[in-house]
Amino acid sequence: SAVISQKPSRDICQRGTSLTIQCQVDSQVTMMFWYRQQPGQSLTLIATANQGSEATYESGFVIDKFPISRPNLTFSTLTVSNMSPEDSSIYLCSVGKTGGNTEAFFGQGTRLTVV
Amino acid sequence: AQSVTQLGSHVSVSEGALVLLRCNYSSSVPPYLFWYVQYPNQGLQLLLKYTTGATLVKGINGFEAEFKKSETSFHLTKPSAHMSDAAEYFCAVSEAWTNAGKSTFGDGTTLTVKP
Repeated sequence: SAVISQKPSRDICQRGTSLTIQCQVDSQVTMMFWYRQQPGQSLTLIATANQGSEATYESGFVIDKFPISRPNLTFSTLTVSNMSPEDSSIYLCSVGKTGGNTEAFFGQGTRLTVV
Repeated sequence: AQSVTQLGSHVSVSEGALVLLRCNYSSSVPPYLFWYVQYPNQGLQLLLKYTTGATLVKGINGFEAEFKKSETSFHLTKPSAHMSDAAEYFCAVSEAWTNAGKSTFGDGTTLTVKP
């Protein structure tokens, strides 16, 4: 299994500012993933964080808005830049583990409110 | 490309009644299929998964699901609902032999259990 810790668990931010969310895994993993869950909606993949290379973004998400760092195999950060109220969401980090990466584990999420 | 359709955004059952949450998927490659549960203000917890082998999979809390390739379905069932089952349930699909942390999620089904 994998234990994922996310910080902060929640925050209230002013529009126009940026927030960096941290994701720490208790073991080394090749890929880490960042998701967004808007209020009352499902999870949408933002990007894949690869160690040693740039993150791979999904359609509709760009690096300037959601810069990602992956300095080692157990840690990643997601920054939500120049925030607006539309960015109010839960942001979750996930990893795949067990043989063949057949199971996903999720952090508890970061509940972001932009005012 | 992959997609997941969960039929019924809200399902209400009486305590002790059968729970049936429907999930249909679309995938151009063999899929991994997952059901997750999310309790209020919490992260995602894996209920069960199908990767290969037996098409009827059993998970935690008495839930099970059957992979039916011909129907592209992966419906979640539980013979007898308990009040503690009230939560949001997400069906997800990822490509087999890739990382399960990268998944496409359905819109979710809110399960209400009436006393």
